[in-house]
Amino acid sequence: KAGVTQTPRYLIKTRGQQVTLSCSPISGHRSVSWYQQTPGQGLQFLFEYFSETQRNKGNFPGRFSGRQFSNSRSEMNVSTLELGDSALYLCASSLFGEGSQPQHFGDGTRLSIL
Amino acid sequence: KQEVTQIPAALSVPEGENLVLNCSFTDSAIYNLQWFRQDPGKGLTSLLLIQSSQREQTSGRLNASLDKSSGRSTLYIAASQPGDSATYLCAVEETSGSRLTFGEGTQLTVNP
Repeated sequence: KAGVTQTPRYLIKTRGQQVTLSCSPISGHRSVSWYQQTPGQGLQFLFEYFSETQRNKGNFPGRFSGRQFSNSRSEMNVSTLELGDSALYLCASSLFGEGSQPQHFGDGTRLSIL
Repeated sequence: KQEVTQIPAALSVPEGENLVLNCSFTDSAIYNLQWFRQDPGKGLTSLLLIQSSQREQTSGRLNASLDKSSGRSTLYIAASQPGDSATYLCAVEETSGSRLTFGEGTQLTVNP
């Protein structure tokens, strides 16, 4: 069974640009969550989607947005990139996102802002 | 606001040693607690999930315990091996569901 797939693995952008990251969950999983990992702040929750609806949102500015498609694939968009957005962005999937099953993570997208 | 703390931040041990990693959390109203490992440049691998009603979970050489009332969890690794070298993260999922709050991790090095 294929794991969580994130594309691209690496991305280099400049300040002010926008970026879209993609996440394909494990087949059958309907909940997709996004996390940002930085050396200073550690792992922080961005948002969670279930059945194409955002169910939960972390404390990030509106420049960070996401969506989920009918096949459960999810995308995350960051607009007007800032140097501080440089991070590893991780996506996690679970069956229903209700806590009885573990969350499975992809290998992440490493975003560098110049 | 939930806060998760992991001690120690780093640990270096010789191969074969048994070791304990500690995790504490400030709000005991959790739904579950998960332990993950992260290898350099990689994502997180789920090791063990303990529901709030459970006291411990075991998988191979790993055993995790949970004391919800005191806000503590431990991850016990038996007979450590160099392949166990990684960063170990503990995360709690609160009753709101899905949102994981992570600790800063313990960086473990097992020396051959």
